[in-house]
Amino acid sequence: GAVVSQHPSWVICKSGTSVKIECRSLDFQATTMFWYRQFPKQSLMLMATSNEGSKATYEQGVEKDKFLINHASLTLSTLTVTSAHPEDSSFYICSAGTGDQPQHFGDGTRLSIL
Amino acid sequence: GEDVEQSLFLSVREGDSSVINCTYTDSSSTYLYWYKQEPGAGLQLLTYIFSNMDMKQDQRLTVLLNKKDKHLSLRIADTQTGDSAIYFCAEIRHTGRRALTFGSGTRLQVQP
Repeated sequence: GAVVSQHPSWVICKSGTSVKIECRSLDFQATTMFWYRQFPKQSLMLMATSNEGSKATYEQGVEKDKFLINHASLTLSTLTVTSAHPEDSSFYICSAGTGDQPQHFGDGTRLSIL
Repeated sequence: GEDVEQSLFLSVREGDSSVINCTYTDSSSTYLYWYKQEPGAGLQLLTYIFSNMDMKQDQRLTVLLNKKDKHLSLRIADTQTGDSAIYFCAEIRHTGRRALTFGSGTRLQVQP
């Protein structure tokens, strides 16, 4: 079945650092990928829709300059958390799918900012 | 309030059936999903149902959909300790955008 790979799975870095998270569709092409954020013991909240070859669509309240999304190919989307601060610490998950097929999720990236 | 609501916690004994409920408010939902999340992990798709269906069964999993009441349920037969996790229901709305709207998640605890 469809598989989505996310990397890294866990990153710890100092405040002020920029962190890049990759989301890959391994056996299918995805023109659209989605980035979600999950705080402890909470549900997933959609951050943005990543569109191949065009600008991402951000949800209300999500800073575009803070969370940079690049979808340069049909199998890769990246989320860069720029100048990360402790309040950016969270679990970030991407998803991808094709046509009307269900979305498949990556294993998530745990980001810890010290 | 939440567009998709779930109870927060359910505890059952091993071997019993578990029923996790979900209500949604958007009647234009096209697909409804159930995902499982184990601690520190991503989401695993369990099953999904199209909005014109009433029921779907897949091995130990049975999904029931009541469109009139906008109620979705997931029944897990012969629940095992490995089923302990958080279960999210999610919907895709008939808006053309394929992002999912998630419920709050139900933590299922299976006691041996």
